Amino acid sequence: AQTVTQSQPEMSVQEAETVTLSCTYDTSESDYYLFWYKQPPSRQMILVIRQEAYKQQNATENRFSVNFQKAAKSFSLKISDSQLGDAAMYFCAYRRSIGTGNQFYFGTGTSLTVIP
Amino acid sequence: GAGVSQSPRYKVAKRGQDVALRCDPISGHVSLFWYQQALGQGPEFLTYFQNEAQLDKSGLPSDRFFAERPEGSVSTLKIQRTQQEDSAVYLCASSLRNSPLHFGNGTRLTVT
Repeated sequence: AQTVTQSQPEMSVQEAETVTLSCTYDTSESDYYLFWYKQPPSRQMILVIRQEAYKQQNATENRFSVNFQKAAKSFSLKISDSQLGDAAMYFCAYRRSIGTGNQFYFGTGTSLTVIP
Repeated sequence: GAGVSQSPRYKVAKRGQDVALRCDPISGHVSLFWYQQALGQGPEFLTYFQNEAQLDKSGLPSDRFFAERPEGSVSTLKIQRTQQEDSAVYLCASSLRNSPLHFGNGTRLTVT
């Protein structure tokens, strides 16, 4: 079974500083997708970044980047130059890439506070 | 529409009442998912549709939960004889095959 673990229930960062959110997962698959979603108080889950497991290069989206360590099954999110609008719950998610099992598996989330 | 639309945004039900939650996915998205999110938790999978076919309902917590998507577009999640433990946010998401999920704003259900 696939599981996603986020070991940091809460994190805080000073505005303009850098913060890293941790995520580990368990799978026996070799091909899959990993995602980070952001959920502000409005409740809508917003895609931050995605990573295909077959790609060795770490994904980057502006101030957001990942450190994908496939052998260690680790997928951390780095937020650079943190802004007040980055404050939200962040969820790591896993999805199989093939077959009819299209479930996304989510971690329990990390609540990020940005301190002005 | 431009995004996934869910209604109602809030629903208060008395214990024992039936409720129906609606999801209107992004046009053309064949995959549709329902998730249940308890307070302070991550979304938990309920059920998955590909077009009108319900391919996975393994996450539905009891036979009081029922979902349908008769024409492969709008979906309805129905909860019969609601219980207090059903109180949660119910998220709907749609996607193209093997693409990221696009979520709606969710329906917050409170059972009193």
